[in-house]
Amino acid sequence: AQSVTQLGSHVSVSEGALVLLRCNYSSSVPPYLFWYVQYPNQGLQLLLKYTSAATLVKGINGFEAEFKKSETSFHLTKPSAHMSDAAEYFCAVSSISSGSARQLTFGSGTQLTVLP
Amino acid sequence: DGGITQSPKYLFRKEGQNVTLSCEQNLNHDAMYWYRQDPGQGLRLIYYSQIVNDFQKGDIAEGYSVSREKKESFPLTVTSAQKNPTAFYLCASSRSSGVFYNEQFFGPGTRLTVL
Repeated sequence: AQSVTQLGSHVSVSEGALVLLRCNYSSSVPPYLFWYVQYPNQGLQLLLKYTSAATLVKGINGFEAEFKKSETSFHLTKPSAHMSDAAEYFCAVSSISSGSARQLTFGSGTQLTVLP
Repeated sequence: DGGITQSPKYLFRKEGQNVTLSCEQNLNHDAMYWYRQDPGQGLRLIYYSQIVNDFQKGDIAEGYSVSREKKESFPLTVTSAQKNPTAFYLCASSRSSGVFYNEQFFGPGTRLTVL
């Protein structure tokens, strides 16, 4: 079974500061990993995904994440936070259910606050 | 524009009533999913469907039912058997839920409140 742990349910950064959101995964098979962003009362939007190609993945809005197999991590970073980055961020790992269908297992989310 | 629509955006239900949440996609995706979101718990899978006329239970299917009569549509019924239905419900779709993974695209969600 796959699982995802997001360290820190709330993260606050100042505008212009580095954003670092942590995600660790557990998987018995090579994983596919994803970061999604959710603005209040909206659906989820894909930021980026790792599917066994390059370990450093670049996404939308200046975000990137690095897959580190030895650390079972997939942390999300952005060099300079913007007020518009304030949202909830979810890390997810794909898994194979008994029906051989790939499902998504989500972490519990990290709420990012950007301070002026 | 292709995408996923969910209706209504807000839904209020009295205890003991069944309600149906709509989900429609025009992305020509094979697979569709329903998730429930509660504060601090991330998203939990209720049901998913890989193909028309077929669907499987997710992690928290009790008190819910679905149908998949058309490729574009995957309605979710919250029955009176669901003891704590107040939540934010998200529908998603993907090209396939088979071995070669494709990312899921999400609708805007329906917020259900039991009065």
